[in-house]
Amino acid sequence: EAAVTQSPRNKVAVTGGKVTLSCNQTNNHNNMYWYRQDTGHGLRLIHYSYGAGSTEKGDIPDGYKASRPSQENFSLILELATPSQTSVYFCASGRLGGLYEQYFGPGTRLTVL
Amino acid sequence: GEKVEQHESTLSVREGDSAVINCTYTDTASSYFPWYKQEAGKGLHFVIDIRSNVDRKQSQRLIVLLDKKAKRFSLHITATQPEDSAIYFCAADNAGAKLTFGGGTRLTVRP
Repeated sequence: EAAVTQSPRNKVAVTGGKVTLSCNQTNNHNNMYWYRQDTGHGLRLIHYSYGAGSTEKGDIPDGYKASRPSQENFSLILELATPSQTSVYFCASGRLGGLYEQYFGPGTRLTVL
Repeated sequence: GEKVEQHESTLSVREGDSAVINCTYTDTASSYFPWYKQEAGKGLHFVIDIRSNVDRKQSQRLIVLLDKKAKRFSLHITATQPEDSAIYFCAADNAGAKLTFGGGTRLTVRP
């Protein structure tokens, strides 16, 4: 069974603070993704990666950085968190080349006060 | 860039009836159209997909139709059951690695 885990599952941060969301996959997939889910917007792609050392901007990258130190791990970094970044964040993994299903983690609920 | 519109934000059907969720997309280059299901408090789970070389695909009670001319695709759930209640997302992939999602449809199956 494909497995994508995220930590933490819940996070409360203060405005201006730094937040790091972590994702680990045991699928040996090359591609990994970070999305945020907000009511009425579905899922929107923040950053993605084709493999270790690679990060690419998605559709809404402003205010976020990403890091892919290994095949298994992909982090999303909010250097200066703002209340507008309060959301549920999902990580996913997928096979190289896309055009195949993505496997999603359980999500991280982030609240920025 | 690609835009995917999911037409029904909510849908309520009686158990045993069929449910249909419709999506449209804008980029004619899109060639892969997956559907995902999200149950309360959980991540998304893949349910079915269709590629642009076919116009119909069925997996048990799920049928996906694709009309490339109209840039429209739809998910049909037949003989609905209470466990089908969830949020369903359509998506389109035109860049070989990036999905664009619709806004989601909350499906409620009434007993």
